[in-house]
Amino acid sequence: EADIYQTPRYLVIGTGKKITLECSQTMGHDKMYWYQQDPGMELHLIHYSYGVNSTEKGDLSSESTVSRIRTEHFPLTLESARPSHTSQYLCASSDEKQGTSPLHFGNGTRLTVT
Amino acid sequence: KNQVEQSPQSLIILEGKNCTLQCNYTVSPFSNLRWYKQDTGRGPVSLTIMTFSENTKSNGRYTATLDADTKQSSLHITASQLSDSASYICVVTDRGSTLGRLYFGRGTQLTVWP
Repeated sequence: EADIYQTPRYLVIGTGKKITLECSQTMGHDKMYWYQQDPGMELHLIHYSYGVNSTEKGDLSSESTVSRIRTEHFPLTLESARPSHTSQYLCASSDEKQGTSPLHFGNGTRLTVT
Repeated sequence: KNQVEQSPQSLIILEGKNCTLQCNYTVSPFSNLRWYKQDTGRGPVSLTIMTFSENTKSNGRYTATLDADTKQSSLHITASQLSDSASYICVVTDRGSTLGRLYFGRGTQLTVWP
């Protein structure tokens, strides 16, 4: 089982609040990703990182930011939460050294913005 | 447009029966195709990975096939168990960029009844 952890597992927060979703992995993977998943829909890439101090925007990144100060840590921040941010957020990592390495996912943070 | 389509959207089978899930894709140029299993409330877990030259790959009771000419893949589950109840997601990677962009299907929700 992959060693990638997300906290909190569930979060209910009011509109306008600033929140940070935590993601940590102990596998030493260089690549890390944030995905958003709604029921019955495909995963959408929010942000990704190829290593320390390297971050890029994905498809749905316009209202969130990430940082990669340490290899093992890749937090996602929403500066001002809105009801449209209600979703499941999945963090993942992969071994860049292996071209066909699978993604290792955390168990997600289910966010509800009221 | 690069897409991944899965069918059926949902499937109910009785314990012990076999089933086959389908994945059609238009992603080009093709790099590899992966099947993931996602239990409710958990992150996806990799089942198989196939590159262009691989036609079939097994992982226990799971057997994936790939026809790169017709751009179709299937996931066959043999002697289903209650624990097979999950969403099965097909993911195709392109090799058109250094990013190796991933394209996700919406998944097939499998329910196994006793």
